[in-house]
Amino acid sequence: DVKVTQSSRYLVKRTGEKVFLECVQDMDHENMFWYRQDPGLGLRLIYFSYDVKMKEKGDIPEGYSVSREKKERFSLILESASTNQTSMYLCASSLFSPLSRNEQFFGPGTRLTVL
Amino acid sequence: AQTVTQSQPEMSVQEAETVTLSCTYDTSESDYYLFWYKQPPSRQMILVIRQEAYKQQNATENRFSVNFQKAAKSFSLKISDSQLGDAAMYFCAYRDNSGGSNYKLTFGKGTLLTVNP
Repeated sequence: DVKVTQSSRYLVKRTGEKVFLECVQDMDHENMFWYRQDPGLGLRLIYFSYDVKMKEKGDIPEGYSVSREKKERFSLILESASTNQTSMYLCASSLFSPLSRNEQFFGPGTRLTVL
Repeated sequence: AQTVTQSQPEMSVQEAETVTLSCTYDTSESDYYLFWYKQPPSRQMILVIRQEAYKQQNATENRFSVNFQKAAKSFSLKISDSQLGDAAMYFCAYRDNSGGSNYKLTFGKGTLLTVNP
């Protein structure tokens, strides 16, 4: 089975701190994604990556950056955390091939609170 | 841009009964996939069922089935013989095959399903 893990289930940070959220997948997937999930808003794509060192902005990239130095790892970085970034963050991965039907596999999520 | 709309923020069903969750989407593409994902409380999101737009036959997975109406751009999920373990947030999602960023999913806002014993 595909396993997507995230470094923390719960995280509490202070305004202005630099925050790193880590995601690792073990199925050699090319694509990796970061979403934030807020009540009543569903999942919104922050950034995605289709290869090592490659990244593209999603729908809400402001205030975030990402890093993908190795295929299995995709990091989300909050350069200067703000209270409006308090949210649940979900990582996902999928195969690149269009023949794969591109099911995305999700991690357990990190609930980030910024005080 | 594609949009996905789930018009029911919350639904409830009695155990063993059938419930249908609604989803509509907007796209100008003809080749795409549709998905239903389930997110149980405090647990990981998992895929429930998928539908390829070029297939006329509705997808089924055990107690889960879809009613795919391509012309109406409707993609509802039917859960038969509901069980307590079906209680979760359900998300409808869309992905097109037009190339470029064809691996991105667009999600609806979700429907919270409660199953009453």
